[in-house]
Amino acid sequence: RKEVEQDPGPFNVPEGATVAFNCTYSNSASQSFFWYRQDCRKEPKLLMSVYSSGNEDGRFTAQLNRASQYISLLIRDSKLSDSATYLCVVKGTSGTYKYIFGTGTRLKVLA
Amino acid sequence: DGGITQSPKYLFRKEGQNVTLSCEQNLNHDAMYWYRQDPGQGLRLIYYSQIVNDFQKGDIAEGYSVSREKKESFPLTVTSAQKNPTAFYLCASSPKANTEAFFGQGTRLTVV
Repeated sequence: RKEVEQDPGPFNVPEGATVAFNCTYSNSASQSFFWYRQDCRKEPKLLMSVYSSGNEDGRFTAQLNRASQYISLLIRDSKLSDSATYLCVVKGTSGTYKYIFGTGTRLKVLA
Repeated sequence: DGGITQSPKYLFRKEGQNVTLSCEQNLNHDAMYWYRQDPGQGLRLIYYSQIVNDFQKGDIAEGYSVSREKKESFPLTVTSAQKNPTAFYLCASSPKANTEAFFGQGTRLTVV
């Protein structure tokens, strides 16, 4: 089983739609969780950290479910500019510097 | 500007040659990382360093070497022992454990 798993997609959605991605992780001792966005042939950029209580940043909402070992990303009112690959990232046990990346979920927002 | 600088952006080398990729950061981050990304695949960790003069192998270290003589710099050498070196190489840094990582713009290496 992969340490971090994501549905590769692509998710093709119309502008204005709401879309959600899930990501599962295998290490129950994982401490930190992030969503990154990666555009084609570019570097990953931090979208948001994921906190235990859940957090929201504009149209983006991230949730963490420790019991089921998954994190989610919800995008409301999708824009064409949201088209990208979304990477789920998990950091290991406390004090570790090692990040584990999922393979990413590709989103295409259609006009 | 503060950030992580990778150079060059594109690099072409002949098979059998060693090549060194540069990564410099002025963010005063303790930890630095090298990842490799192949088409349709996730990022795979090559090496990482938590402090100066110390580094650890990641999941795919064979055929690569690094050094961390200065806090700001973490160069990666792709040696001739690396069987399939053509890839997108990404350098990242983070201030400390349990915080997010920030990436450079990447170096696209093509070996012909």
